Amino acid sequence: DADVTQTPRNRITKTGKRIMLECSQTKGHDRMYWYRQDPGLGLRLIYYSFDVKDINKGEISDGYSVSRQAQAKFSLSLESAIPNQTALYFCATSGDSNTGELFFGEGSRLTVL
Amino acid sequence: QKEVEQNSGPLSVPEGAIASLNCTYSDRVSQSFFWYRQYSGKSPELIMSIYSNGDKEDGRFTAQLNKASQYVSLLIRDSQPSDSATYLCAVRDSSASKIIFGSGTRLSIRP
Repeated sequence: DADVTQTPRNRITKTGKRIMLECSQTKGHDRMYWYRQDPGLGLRLIYYSFDVKDINKGEISDGYSVSRQAQAKFSLSLESAIPNQTALYFCATSGDSNTGELFFGEGSRLTVL
Repeated sequence: QKEVEQNSGPLSVPEGAIASLNCTYSDRVSQSFFWYRQYSGKSPELIMSIYSNGDKEDGRFTAQLNKASQYVSLLIRDSQPSDSATYLCAVRDSSASKIIFGSGTRLSIRP
């Protein structure tokens, strides 16, 4: 089983719908991240969390919200999806503030029509 | 100015040659630098990290860091077809909290 699991892996939805992407991890890491990947733009940070009570905005948080339900779970929500939120979304975890190694989930491909 | 900049490529290198990938960053206080490899349709994986000026070697990979020039590079010796992927440069920001990625360089190793 994967250490960082994202659900759903693929989702097609319509403009205006609420969408939740879920991430769970078995690595015991405190730090969790949500990134978005678009062709030619690399990975852009949406939100990150260092523990259950700590939530921080990244580079592109507008239109997104997150919830850290437990150390192992970090969910990303799109309250009212729009077509330019069509992208590949990655959840990642990190256990050490000094190394920077991120462990990624397999990604969630979201299409907003 | 983007915080982390890379040439998007594609960079085409013959098999067996040296592939050179480059990255510049804007935050002078950054202390930690990383190279991730991402195969098509897969998630990124860490291949190198470097924290001090100079070279760091790991097998066929060498990372080079020049903090004065705000420049980090990755050399891949004896390039193999399996090295064909997108290489993402990443920098931990000065607050040591966020890891910022460049847009990636697509590398193609031709037989």
